[in-house]
Amino acid sequence: QKEVEQDPGPLSVPEGAIVSLNCTYSNSAFQYFMWYRQYSRKGPELLMYTYSSGNKEDGRFTAQVDKSSKYISLFIRDSQPSDSATYLCAMSKTGTASKLTFGTGTRLQVTL
Amino acid sequence: EPEVTQTPSHQVTQMGQEVILRCVPISNHLYFYWYRQILGQKVEFLVSFYNNEISEKSEIFDDQFSVERPDGSNFTLKIRSTKLEDSAMYFCASSVRGVEETQYFGPGTRLLVL
Repeated sequence: QKEVEQDPGPLSVPEGAIVSLNCTYSNSAFQYFMWYRQYSRKGPELLMYTYSSGNKEDGRFTAQVDKSSKYISLFIRDSQPSDSATYLCAMSKTGTASKLTFGTGTRLQVTL
Repeated sequence: EPEVTQTPSHQVTQMGQEVILRCVPISNHLYFYWYRQILGQKVEFLVSFYNNEISEKSEIFDDQFSVERPDGSNFTLKIRSTKLEDSAMYFCASSVRGVEETQYFGPGTRLLVL
């Protein structure tokens, strides 16, 4: 079983839609859960992170972590064409500045 | 806004050759990392570096790989004898010290081994 699993997509949605991106993981030692966004020909950029279980909201983005199910989600409200990118979940045992274990990424396309 | 830079953006080399990938981290950052992404696969951790020594490395980071901070600004990844399977995008990242600090990634160097 892979440590982190993520549906690669691609996922295509119309502008304004709510997007749900998900990852599952197998290692219960993970404590920090991150979402990175990667535009074409760029490096990953941290969107937000959550420590342990719970929700975190930042503007149009909401991250959820359910440690009991080993399942994390990123919701994007009112999606915009500029949200078109690959979204990578990443996890760490000891902090966001430690070794990160990534999912494969989900490619999102928001159409006009 | 400060950013991590990497050179070259693309490198083509012959199998068995040595390559050095270069990174300039953000100037006040103290932690440095290399990750790689084989085409179509996930980003994988290679190594982290702090205070002029390796703080953690993955199973991928074998004796063929080495890292160095030769001066106050550069951070390099050397692959001594490249193999075909080393073909990948290599990302450098840096962060300040702290449990919940952000790793800032560079744009990557695409390495192709022929």
